[in-house]
This record gives sequence, structure tokens and C-alpha cells, in this order.
Amino acid sequence: DIQMTQSPSSLSASVGDRVTITCRASQSISRYLNWYQQKPGKAPKFVISAASSLQSGVPSRFSGSGSGTDFTLTISSLQPEDFATYYCQQSYSIPYTFGQGTKLEIK
Amino acid sequence: EVQLVESGGGLVQPGGSLRLSCAASGFTFSSYWMHWVRQAPGKGLVWVSRISSDGSSTNCADSVKGRFTISRDNAKNTLYLQLNSLRAEDTAVYYCASDPGHGGYPGWGQGTLVTVSS
Repeated sequence: DIQMTQSPSSLSASVGDRVTITCRASQSISRYLNWYQQKPGKAPKFVISAASSLQSGVPSRFSGSGSGTDFTLTISSLQPEDFATYYCQQSYSIPYTFGQGTKLEIK
Repeated sequence: EVQLVESGGGLVQPGGSLRLSCAASGFTFSSYWMHWVRQAPGKGLVWVSRISSDGSSTNCADSVKGRFTISRDNAKNTLYLQLNSLRAEDTAVYYCASDPGHGGYPGWGQGTLVTVSS
């Protein structure tokens, strides 16, 4: 199985900050990397597919990059509604493993 | 608008069984691969199982292989997950999710809670 490791596990930031979350795969997954946002008690929301394709309706302050084993999710200017937990997921091979999550909290 | 509505969760004793359902609407269900993902209380997301658009191909996580079975009825736009020989560690919210073919999930249900306890 491909292991997905996110860093950091938690992050405190302020409104307006630029933040970056990193996701590393245990082997190359090309660009088969997705990002999700989850708020407490809610289902995850699809943010980015194929490493960098922003999903419809997702604000342009979100961006993704990377290929192979190293990927990043960047939020250019944090807004209050962005505080949530973020998960990466590889869809290169079954089982489609998720990272452990990064909890983004208000400083 | 994609809508997925899970049902069938509840409290079950260890060794028991449940069948989860996921009713789909707002998209061409028969064209999508479908997945189940679970989340134990306070924990992260874990992929459980997937089924091809026509139901001919299925995969399961090793942790549930031989105990859980995924199936679908395209005439009823419904996805199922049969859970047998349940264990305490199967306690989680179970989500169904739609996959248009690239492995990402643009559609998620609201989740259904399965609690395995005596």
C-alpha cells in the first residue's frame, strides 16, 4: 500500500496568512493526488484533483502543486471559513489511501 | 446537483451484521464508480471499498476483506455495503462517494454512523 504523510499535523494561523500543507507519498503517484477539506460533523469537500485542478466553486486562493512523491496545498490568504482539517488522498492505486490530516486552526 | 443519502447505520453487537444503503440522485449513477470511505470517531478518513460503474469489478481494503461486500443496483440508483462479522474497530461514520473516473470524490453523502458494541 502507498503511505501518505502530511505535514504539519496541525497548524495555527491568522486570517490573511499564506499557509502551505505538504503531502508526501511513499512511492511515485504521478499526479494522482486529491485534496479535501473537512469541517467538524460534516462530510469532506473536494478541493483539488490531479494535484492542481481546482474544483468548481472552490475559491482561487486555493492552489495545489507537485508530482511524483511531493505535493503541496497552498491557501494564499486565509479566510475564516478556511479553518478546517485538510486531507490528501492518492488515487494512483488501490487502496486509495489518505494522509492523516492537517488541522488548520485560528491563531 | 449530486445528492447521496446514506442509511442503515446503527448500534450492533460484535459479530453482527448491517446493510448500508446510499441513494443517489442528480447525476448519471450508472456512469460512476462508487466508493465507501469510513471515519472512526476523532480519526482520519479511510478508504473501504469501491465498485465499477456496471458492478462487474470490486475492491476492498484488507481490513474488511471477507467481511464487507459492496454492490449496486443501477436500476434503483442505489449503492450498498453489507457489513458482516462486525468488530469494535469497525465503529465509524461510513460515507459513500461518487468517482467520475479519476479517483477523486466530487460527491459525498452525509454519512451514517455504525457503532459496534455490546
